[in-house]
Amino acid sequence: AQTVTQSQPEMSVQEAETVTLSCTYDTSESDYYLFWYKQPPSRQMILVIRQEAYKQQNATENRFSVNFQKAAKSFSLKISDSQLGDAAMYFCAYRVGRDDKIIFGKGTRLHILP
Amino acid sequence: ETGVTQSPTHLIKTRGQQVTLRCSSQSGHNTVSWYQQALGQGPQFIFQYYREEENGRGNFPPRFSGLQFPNYSSELNVNALELDDSALYLCASSLPPAGGTHEQFFGPGTRLTVL
Repeated sequence: AQTVTQSQPEMSVQEAETVTLSCTYDTSESDYYLFWYKQPPSRQMILVIRQEAYKQQNATENRFSVNFQKAAKSFSLKISDSQLGDAAMYFCAYRVGRDDKIIFGKGTRLHILP
Repeated sequence: ETGVTQSPTHLIKTRGQQVTLRCSSQSGHNTVSWYQQALGQGPQFIFQYYREEENGRGNFPPRFSGLQFPNYSSELNVNALELDDSALYLCASSLPPAGGTHEQFFGPGTRLTVL
């Protein structure tokens, strides 16, 4: 079964500090994509960052970067220089290359402390 | 460029009733996916529509059905509503399926409450 596990229901970080959100997944597929989505109180799901499984280099988008450990099936998100606007639910997600459904974890609620 | 829109924003129904939720895809996107997000959970895939045909379905009963129209907008219909159907329903549009890195762009969702 394809599953995505986020073991941290909630996290807090001081503004301007760095925080890492954890995610593990389970799959027997070799071709897949991993995502981190942000869902603020407005409810709109926003793609933060994407990683193709065949790429060894970790994806980076400005203050957001991932640590992709394929053998360990781990995909953590690091947010540097945290800002108040980063406060949201963060979902780790997975999609098999040939498939089109996205499988989401249960989410981590991130609080930014001023 | 117009993003994904959904209507209505909120909806209250009673058990046993039927409901229709609507989604307009982002300009140029011909694929629409629907997800159910229960409170405190991540979204769960319901089904996807491409070229007006269902193109993949999650673990949802047949009382969840959908339509896609020639302009690529889509409807999600739920019959015989149950209390557990209370959730945020998200619509996402994307370019044609078949994998790749086509990003799914999400709408703001419809909050359905079943009493």
